[in-house]
Amino acid sequence: ETGVTQSPTHLIKTRGQQVTLRCSSQSGHNTVSWYQQALGQGPQFIFQYYREEENGRGNFPPRFSGLQFPNYSSELNVNALELDDSALYLCASSSNSHTEAFFGQGTRLTVV
Amino acid sequence: SQQGEEDPQALSIQEGENATMNCSYKTSINNLQWYRQNSGRGLVHLILIRSNEREKHSGRLRVTLDTSKKSSSLLITASRAADTASYFCATAGSGDYKLSFGAGTTVTVRA
Repeated sequence: ETGVTQSPTHLIKTRGQQVTLRCSSQSGHNTVSWYQQALGQGPQFIFQYYREEENGRGNFPPRFSGLQFPNYSSELNVNALELDDSALYLCASSSNSHTEAFFGQGTRLTVV
Repeated sequence: SQQGEEDPQALSIQEGENATMNCSYKTSINNLQWYRQNSGRGLVHLILIRSNEREKHSGRLRVTLDTSKKSSSLLITASRAADTASYFCATAGSGDYKLSFGAGTTVTVRA
């Protein structure tokens, strides 16, 4: 157990809908990153939040957005869902950008 | 795009044997990390090696790093059935904030 919890664990949405995924970071960690992992691939970086500010973003369109709250928990929002958004979404917390990251169990999103 | 590339893509070994997998990357790094993933769930951090280190051990794990060749290897000694998983290398750049993962090596340990 890493202390990072994600909800929900599974989700099925229809194309065009919006989804919000949630992540509670490990105690003492002020940095949260989100990754998308398609089947058979390695995780791809979406963005990172540090002390409630976006601290970097990967090659994802603006319909992927996020928030970090004062308690360092975080949300990932995806608007106008597409079939290719079907993936495992992973949240990772760390004490800073250059240390080990602790991952949650992920949210499996299926877009139909 | 993936920064790291693991080799081989898949590995099948007998319990008790050693498993070695390699990772190559393209740009300069601050550190390189190895993670394990069971059955498409969360990733578990195994070991972190910094760019100024050449070798690191943790239990049955041994990691090497060759920055001149931009490559790393992960050795799992005396493998067990519980080591069956996908293994990923991830790099963190010097001025970077993200981990860049390879596509992973799937290891199957046969009893």
